[in-house]
Amino acid sequence: ETGVTQTPRHLVMGMTNKKSLKCEQHLGHNAMYWYKQSAKKPLELMFVYSLEERVENNSVPSRFSPECPNSSHLFLHLHTLQPEDSALYLCASSQDGTGSDEQYFGPGTRLTVT
Amino acid sequence: AQKVTQAQTEISVVEKEDVTLDCVYETRDTTYYLFWYKQPPSGELVFLIRRNSFDEQNEISGRYSWNFQKSTSSFNFTITASQVVDSAVYFCALTMDSNYQLIWGAGTKLIIKP
Repeated sequence: ETGVTQTPRHLVMGMTNKKSLKCEQHLGHNAMYWYKQSAKKPLELMFVYSLEERVENNSVPSRFSPECPNSSHLFLHLHTLQPEDSALYLCASSQDGTGSDEQYFGPGTRLTVT
Repeated sequence: AQKVTQAQTEISVVEKEDVTLDCVYETRDTTYYLFWYKQPPSGELVFLIRRNSFDEQNEISGRYSWNFQKSTSSFNFTITASQVVDSAVYFCALTMDSNYQLIWGAGTKLIIKP
């Protein structure tokens, strides 16, 4: 099993839909992250969980709702999104949430909001 | 202020040429960590190297080498004898003990032509 997996890989949703992105890490790490990568913009950190507690929320709109039921799984629940939310959503994990450790990324979910 | 600058937006070389990707960082912290990541067309960010601020030794890993110079606040990445599979976007990133969030450069798109 590869280190960090994400499902689905591609998602097209309307603005009134509700969907969830799933991330799973098989590395025994204690911290997990959600990033948004839009075209021609730097990676944006959305949420950080360390030991299943959210430690960072970078002023993300409430239409994005994270959930971390255990240290291996991370979800991003989506509802009433806007077309500008179309992007690549990347999940990552690291040994801890201190920042000194490297992060390992999943393949991402390419989200298109119509 | 903390910042990472990758001034080269895109570089195109012919296979087997050597190529250097520049990274300049800004931080007032004395303890910090520098990273390079590779993002191939598939989208997954792949960790390449981590360097802490107290270790200025250059590193070589196969065809990849990194030159860390605190005097110029640079952490440059060289690929020797480039191959088509090296084509990707390469990101440099910075984090500090005082702020665990990764600060990302804008990325350099590297195109290796056969």
